[in-house]
Amino acid sequence: EAGVTQSPTHLIKTRGQQVTLRCSPISGHTSVYWYQQALGLGLQFLLWYDEGEERNRGNFPPRFSGRQFPNYSSELNVNALELEDSALYLCASSRGWVPGTDTQYFGPGTRLTVL
Amino acid sequence: EDKVVQSPLSLVVHEGDTVTLNCSYEVTNFRSLLWYKQEKKAPTFLFMLTSSGIEKKSGRLSSILDKKELFSILNITATQTGDSAVYLCAVDTNAGKSTFGDGTTLTVKP
Repeated sequence: EAGVTQSPTHLIKTRGQQVTLRCSPISGHTSVYWYQQALGLGLQFLLWYDEGEERNRGNFPPRFSGRQFPNYSSELNVNALELEDSALYLCASSRGWVPGTDTQYFGPGTRLTVL
Repeated sequence: EDKVVQSPLSLVVHEGDTVTLNCSYEVTNFRSLLWYKQEKKAPTFLFMLTSSGIEKKSGRLSSILDKKELFSILNITATQTGDSAVYLCAVDTNAGKSTFGDGTTLTVKP
């Protein structure tokens, strides 16, 4: 079974630019989660999508947004990049969101560097 | 605000030692507590705990949850160098939000 995939693996942008990160969940998984892991900090919950809808978001400004497509893949968009957005962005997927189906499996991440 | 605190932040042991990692939490509408091992990049799932007092085991790793005192421990017995990693504790709520602790960095020396 293929795992969660993310693209690109690395990305370098400059302040003010916009970036789109992509995630494909494990086949059969309908929920996708996005996390930010900045250097020296723990994983911070960003967004949760299930069945194409945004179900919850963490404490991030509106310039962090995303969507989930009918095939359950997802994009994370970050507008007006700031230096502190430099981080590893991890995507995870789960079969569902009720207990027993909600174990999250992580992708390899996208390393974003903002100069 | 939901909070997950792990201790210690880092730990250095020798092969064969037993370690105990701690995770305490304060969240609204607790649903489950999860332990992950993170090497290099992506965390890998270890355990999910939803009920108090029931120990989960996988080889040399075990974990238990205390929902009254709001904490969990992860035990690793007979540690090996391959156990060196960051161990993350996360709490999921019924609102679908996951809050992670800062992790415990475990270094196992030969």
